[in-house]
Amino acid sequence: DGGITQSPKYLFRKEGQNVTLSCEQNLNHDAMYWYRQDPGQGLRLIYYSQIVNDFQKGDIAEGYSVSREKKESFPLTVTSAQKNPTAFYLCASSSNPFGGEGSEQYFGPGTRLTVT
Amino acid sequence: SQQGEEDPQALSIQEGENATMNCSYKTSINNLQWYRQNSGRGLVHLILIRSNEREKHSGRLRVTLDTSKKSSSLLITASRAADTASYFCATSPRAAGNKLTFGGGTRVLVKP
Repeated sequence: DGGITQSPKYLFRKEGQNVTLSCEQNLNHDAMYWYRQDPGQGLRLIYYSQIVNDFQKGDIAEGYSVSREKKESFPLTVTSAQKNPTAFYLCASSSNPFGGEGSEQYFGPGTRLTVT
Repeated sequence: SQQGEEDPQALSIQEGENATMNCSYKTSINNLQWYRQNSGRGLVHLILIRSNEREKHSGRLRVTLDTSKKSSSLLITASRAADTASYFCATSPRAAGNKLTFGGGTRVLVKP
């Protein structure tokens, strides 16, 4: 059963704590992406990775960090430096990291993070 | 501001009616994609239209692209209650690889 999994579905943390969100895909896709979605809004790109051991900042990378040590895994750490971390986080992957054929993105179910 | 902006922000229709939503963007693109999101879920890819295409169909979906006006439209024909969702356009700007920029979405309610 191919797809993208994110865990956990809901996550609660105290302010000042770092937290890591998991994203795993078994689609053999080269590219993976992390987005943030606030209520009633569209998605904003946090980080993306076009290939293993490489990643680039998106539009709102401050306060976040990622790693891409394995093709199938792209964990996101929300650090205490992120001023407003409460949001819905979505992970995605695509077979083509450069646009064109195969550039449609497949999304996981998301993790809703609440920081109090 | 986001590259893609959808219009209207919300749409309420009766089952069986057509739903049309529009997307405008600002820079040259490789392609434009439409996604659907059910409440609290991940996004599902609906259709991709390349910059050299003008119209594309997939089942009850029809997408148009006018690069001279930097705009696209998504038409859902014969809507069903199950079409109730938010719909997002996402643009892939030229020279940006596959970095997608999403609009704020159109929330569609299909009443039975």
